[in-house]
Amino acid sequence: KAGVTQTPRYLIKTRGQQVTLSCSPISGHRSVSWYQQTPGQGLQFLFEYFSETQRNKGNFPGRFSGRQFSNSRSEMNVSTLELGDSALYLCASSPDERPTGGYTFGSGTRLTVV
Amino acid sequence: GENVEQHPSTLSVQEGDSAVIKCTYSDSASNYFPWYKQELGKGPQLIIDIRSNVGEKKDQRIAVTLNKTAKHFSLHITETQPEDSAVYFCAASAVGYGNNRLAFGKGNQVVVIP
Repeated sequence: KAGVTQTPRYLIKTRGQQVTLSCSPISGHRSVSWYQQTPGQGLQFLFEYFSETQRNKGNFPGRFSGRQFSNSRSEMNVSTLELGDSALYLCASSPDERPTGGYTFGSGTRLTVV
Repeated sequence: GENVEQHPSTLSVQEGDSAVIKCTYSDSASNYFPWYKQELGKGPQLIIDIRSNVGEKKDQRIAVTLNKTAKHFSLHITETQPEDSAVYFCAASAVGYGNNRLAFGKGNQVVVIP
């Protein structure tokens, strides 16, 4: 059974650019969440999607956005990149509408903003 | 929102000894407490979880205990092995429809000395 797949694994972008990250959840999983991981702030919740609807959003500026497609795949977009956006972006999937936990994380996309 | 604190930040143990990591949480509505292990270059991997209606759960060498009154929960690893060396994260969530975000602690670096 394939795990959560995130592409690309590594990205280097210039300040001011925008970036799109992709996440393919485990087959059959309909809930997808995104987290940002940095050494200083740790793991912080970005947003959660279920059946193409955003159900929760973390405390991040509007430059961070996301969406989920009908096949449950998800993308997140960061516009006008800042140096502080350098981080590991993690996607997690869960099968349930009312997840009882058990999120499975991907290996992440390492974004470096220069 | 939920605030999860994790202690100690670094823990070194001799192979074969036990390791204990403690976390506290602030939101009494939290009802789901997972523990994740993260190895270098990988995403967090769920190793054990506990729900608020249970006080203790074991899975081979790993156990988690929960004290709802004191709002703290702990991870216990017995007979530690070198492959247990990793960063461990605790998390808390008030799992239910419309609110499935995980609030993570800052992580513990566990080093098992052969």
